Amino acid sequence: QVQLQESGPRLVKPSETLSLICTVSGGSISNYYWNWVRQPPGKGLDWIGYIYYTGTTNYNPSLKSRVTISLDASKTQFSLQLNSVTAADTAVYYCARHRSTGYTDYFDHWGQGTLVTVSS
Amino acid sequence: SSELTQDPAVSVALGQTVRITCQGDTLRTYFASWSQQKPGQAPVLVVYGKDNRPSGIPDRFSGSRSGNTASLTITGAQAEDEGDYYCNSRDSSGFHLVFGGGTKLTVL
Repeated sequence: QVQLQESGPRLVKPSETLSLICTVSGGSISNYYWNWVRQPPGKGLDWIGYIYYTGTTNYNPSLKSRVTISLDASKTQFSLQLNSVTAADTAVYYCARHRSTGYTDYFDHWGQGTLVTVSS
Repeated sequence: SSELTQDPAVSVALGQTVRITCQGDTLRTYFASWSQQKPGQAPVLVVYGKDNRPSGIPDRFSGSRSGNTASLTITGAQAEDEGDYYCNSRDSSGFHLVFGGGTKLTVL
């Protein structure tokens, strides 16, 4: 059974960089899309972006200038970097696996999520 | 605001049928997928594509599409079906992913 686990600092200062790692266990990195999704307190889900196992990335246009997602296949990990954070970036951050069948995209495995707070 | 529009809240009597909808122009081309989220938990996929359920999801959950509207139907809603439901699909570019704003389901 595939499992995903987020790790990283829970508190980040304004203007600094938020960095998270997602460790994948119980399955291969190959042939899947590896995503970051966030959820501000009391609000809905917000797609941040993904990296395909080949290294191709795709980012939410509203965050593209500040986001980098990278992959370390040898460690079955992928990471998120979000630059120049503000209080508006405070959220639960989830890593998730998604599959695409051409006209359908679906998130079939999620990490438990980690709350990251931006505050001085 | 999201390119996929959901009603903020829906309620259903125990054992009755409820439909949760997701509207967006891209749904004429792409199918929606649906995830359920309970308080303090990660989302769980319940329906994807034309009408597919992951292993372990009860068959009272089903999906459909008509024009620009995708629907998640729960036939015979149970108390444990309470939670937030999110649709996801592609944005107007057809390249990026997007979530609907979510629908809070209350089972009365």
